Amino acid sequence: DVKVTQSSRYLVKRTGEKVFLECVQDMDHENMFWYRQDPGLGLRLIYFSYDVKMKEKGDIPEGYSVSREKKERFSLILESASTNQTSMYLCASQGTGNQPQHFGDGTRLSIL
Amino acid sequence: GQQVMQIPQYQHVQEGEDFTTYCNSSTTLSNIQWYKQRPGGHPVFLIQLVKSGEVKKQKRLTFQFGEAKKNSSLHITATQTTDVGTYFCAGRGGATNKLIFGTGTLLAVQP
Repeated sequence: DVKVTQSSRYLVKRTGEKVFLECVQDMDHENMFWYRQDPGLGLRLIYFSYDVKMKEKGDIPEGYSVSREKKERFSLILESASTNQTSMYLCASQGTGNQPQHFGDGTRLSIL
Repeated sequence: GQQVMQIPQYQHVQEGEDFTTYCNSSTTLSNIQWYKQRPGGHPVFLIQLVKSGEVKKQKRLTFQFGEAKKNSSLHITATQTTDVGTYFCAGRGGATNKLIFGTGTLLAVQP
C-alpha cells in the first residue's frame, strides 16, 4: 500500500519565519504534488514535480517554493510566512499516466 | 484557465435518503476521478471514469461521466452515517492535462 508521510500534523509559526513542510513517499512515484485546502475552495495546486530536481508551478505558487533533491522527498518552503498562508497543506504522490493520487495526512499550519 | 465546479457545496440528509453531487468542467476532460475525504482525514481515491457516458457502481455509489465528457455525478443510494465526508471530483484535461480538483461537496448524514 502506498504510504505518503508528512512531517507534521500541526504546526504553528510566526509571520516572517521561513517554514519547511516535508513529504516522503515510499512507492517510487515520479510525480509529487503540494496542495492547500481551504473551506469552499477545494484543493488548490501550489507546485508539482515530475522528476528529481524538476518542478513546475501550480495555480497558486506565489509565496512558496519547493525542493526535490531525492525522488522520495518533496519539500514545500514558505520563504517568509504570512497570515494568509494559514491553511491545511496536503502532499500527494502519483505514478505514471492517469494513476490516482495518494495523499498524506496533511499539515495544519497556523501563521500567527 | 480550466475550472471544475461542484454543486452543492454542502448537503445535509437523513440516514436512508439519497444524495447526489454534480461536477462540471469548463473544458472537455480526458478522464475524471472521484475522491472521498472523511472528517479529519485526507482524500482517498474512489474511482476513475474514462469513456463518454460511462457508468460505474461501487455498492451504493453510482458514478457517471457525461456524454460530452464535461460533467460527472456521484449518486449515493440510501445514505449511511459512514458516508459522511467531503466528495471531490478531479478532472484531467486541457492543454496541460493536469488533474484539477473540484471545490468539493460536504455530506452530513443525520442518524
